[in-house]
Amino acid sequence: GDSVTQMEGPVTLSEEAFLTINCTYTATGYPSLFWYVQYPGEGLQLLLKATKADDKGSNKGFEATYRKETTSFHLEKGSVQVSDSAVYFCATRTDAGGTSYGKLTFGQGTILTVHP
Amino acid sequence: DGGITQSPKYLFRKEGQNVTLSCEQNLNHDAMYWYRQDPGQGLRLIYYSQIVNDFQKGDIAEGYSVSREKKESFPLTVTSAQKNPTAFYLCASSIAASGVYNEQFFGPGTRLTVL
Repeated sequence: GDSVTQMEGPVTLSEEAFLTINCTYTATGYPSLFWYVQYPGEGLQLLLKATKADDKGSNKGFEATYRKETTSFHLEKGSVQVSDSAVYFCATRTDAGGTSYGKLTFGQGTILTVHP
Repeated sequence: DGGITQSPKYLFRKEGQNVTLSCEQNLNHDAMYWYRQDPGQGLRLIYYSQIVNDFQKGDIAEGYSVSREKKESFPLTVTSAQKNPTAFYLCASSIAASGVYNEQFFGPGTRLTVL
């Protein structure tokens, strides 16, 4: 089955710093890739996604590019804010085709704390 | 507003008791899911349901049970057979369980603590 490995956390940055959270995956077939964000005490929200090689997902200043050759989907943001403090999850989904369920496989999550 | 609601937000259980977590959605989604989240770990799938009156075991179904009698509801029962039930439980739903319509939307979660 699929597996996802994320950069170990926690990550602590000052406001306006550059953020990178690494994510690599192993999968059979051609997975779709996702980043989810979880703010304190809440459920997960989809942050961005990419469905094929070289696609770039972007949202709220965050970006990630689907790199098939390195099986990676690193999350980046040029200038973080205090409000970006959250847990970030990388995930894959490989669809089996037809009506078969496409399972989401999550990494372990990376805690980001941004200080003023 | 459309969305997913989970109740209660916090739940305390004594050892040996069964407890049921509620999940309701008004998004008209066919598929629903239950995940467990433990500190430092990603989400692990407990059960999922592609349609009313049907559900399938996920990766860690032992000690849990579900029902799907209505499209909008997917309650999870944590039984006394679950050896380590203290965790954060997340419910999700999607238009469908497969293909391009299976983007999952998550509820706010229920934190279960066994005393």
